[in-house]
Amino acid sequence: DVKVTQSSRYLVKRTGEKVFLECVQDMDHENMFWYRQDPGLGLRLIYFSYDVKMKEKGDIPEGYSVSREKKERFSLILESASTNQTSMYLCASSLLTRDYNEQFFGPGTRLTVL
Amino acid sequence: KNQVEQSPQSLIILEGKNCTLQCNYTVSPFSNLRWYKQDTGRGPVSLTIMTFSENTKSNGRYTATLDADTKQSSLHITASQLSDSASYICVVSASYGNKLVFGAGTILRVKS
Repeated sequence: DVKVTQSSRYLVKRTGEKVFLECVQDMDHENMFWYRQDPGLGLRLIYFSYDVKMKEKGDIPEGYSVSREKKERFSLILESASTNQTSMYLCASSLLTRDYNEQFFGPGTRLTVL
Repeated sequence: KNQVEQSPQSLIILEGKNCTLQCNYTVSPFSNLRWYKQDTGRGPVSLTIMTFSENTKSNGRYTATLDADTKQSSLHITASQLSDSASYICVVSASYGNKLVFGAGTILRVKS
């Protein structure tokens, strides 16, 4: 079974703090993704990576950065957290295939910024 | 603009009853459509995938249909169980890479 784990299930931070969310997958997948999920909206892609040290902006990259130093690990960084970044953050991974690209998701991190 | 719209937003049914969830999309060019199930506090898990040439696919009590001409899909749940209570998300893939377009989901609650 593919396993995608995220470092925290719940996180509470203060405005202006630097926040690190970590994601690890154990299936040697090339692609990794960070999404945020808000009520009434579909998942929105923040950043993705198709290889070590490679990253691509998604639909809503503002206020976020990412790091992929190892194939199995993909980190999301909030340089200076703001209240509008309170959300559920989901990490996913998939094989580097063009189609039928099932993404396997982690359990999510619910981040609250006060 | 690529969009996926799901209806209803939420649904409450009695255990044992059937229900159907709807998904309309405008994603182009179309590659495939997946239905994901997301239990509370967990990440989404894929239920079915359908490509352009498929119009029905089943996974146990879940049956998905696809009409590529009208750009509509449905997920039918038969003989619902309490464990079916979850959010069901329709996801459409455009055929130019890893781009996925997510619907907002339908929240299903099955009552005893």
